[in-house]
Amino acid sequence: NAGVTQTPKFQVLKTGQSMTLQCAQDMNHNSMYWYRQDPGMGLRLIYYSASEGTTDKGEVPNGYNVSRLNKREFSLRLESAAPSQTSVYFCASSAGVGSGANVLTFGAGSRLTVL
Amino acid sequence: RKEVEQDPGPFNVPEGATVAFNCTYSNSASQSFFWYRQDCRKEPKLLMSVYSSGNEDGRFTAQLNRASQYISLLIRDSKLSDSATYLCVVNMVGYSTLTFGKGTMLLVSP
Repeated sequence: NAGVTQTPKFQVLKTGQSMTLQCAQDMNHNSMYWYRQDPGMGLRLIYYSASEGTTDKGEVPNGYNVSRLNKREFSLRLESAAPSQTSVYFCASSAGVGSGANVLTFGAGSRLTVL
Repeated sequence: RKEVEQDPGPFNVPEGATVAFNCTYSNSASQSFFWYRQDCRKEPKLLMSVYSSGNEDGRFTAQLNRASQYISLLIRDSKLSDSATYLCVVNMVGYSTLTFGKGTMLLVSP
C-alpha cells in the first residue's frame, strides 16, 4: 500500500544549487499536486497537474518548475535554490480536480533546507 | 480571493475534555467541506467530510452552517492521541483545487 511516494525525505542545498523532488502514486489517480508548508503559512499550492500532459500554476509557483512525466509521476524542480525555499514539500494526488479533488492523498513530505 | 480562516490555537485541553474548532470561509458558493488531520511532522490525512445535515464519526462531530459560512468540528472525550493540527478544507466553486485553512493545533494533556 505505497500510495504516494516522494523522494528524497531530507535534503540540504546551498544557495544556487538545483535539485528535483520526485513523486509517484500507485492509485491510478488523474491529478497530482505539489504543496509547500511553512510555519504560520499553512499549505500553499505550488503547481498541480489536472491530468497527464497538463500542468498549472498554483498560489506560489515562482522559482519552481514541474514535469508530469506520466500518469504516475510528477516531479518538482528547483533550478536555483534560495533560502526562501527552505520548507517542507508535500506531493499529493486525487482522482481528479474540482469535485474529484475532494480527497487528497499526501506523500510523507520532503524537508528541504537551503543554506 | 479565496479564504479559509481558522483560529491557530494552540488549544490546550486535559484528557476527557470536549473541544470545538470553528472555521469560516469566504466563498458563499463553496460546495464541499472537510476536516483533515495532520500529526506533528507527518502528512495531512482526511479526517471527515462535512455534510449539510451535520455528521458524526465516533467522538467527532462536524457541522456546517451555510448561512453564516462556517464549519465546526467537535471532539468529545479527548484522548492524548487527538493531539494534532486540524485543517479546515473547502472545495470552492470555480477553483480546481482545495483551499486549506492554516490549521488549529490541539494539545491534549494527561
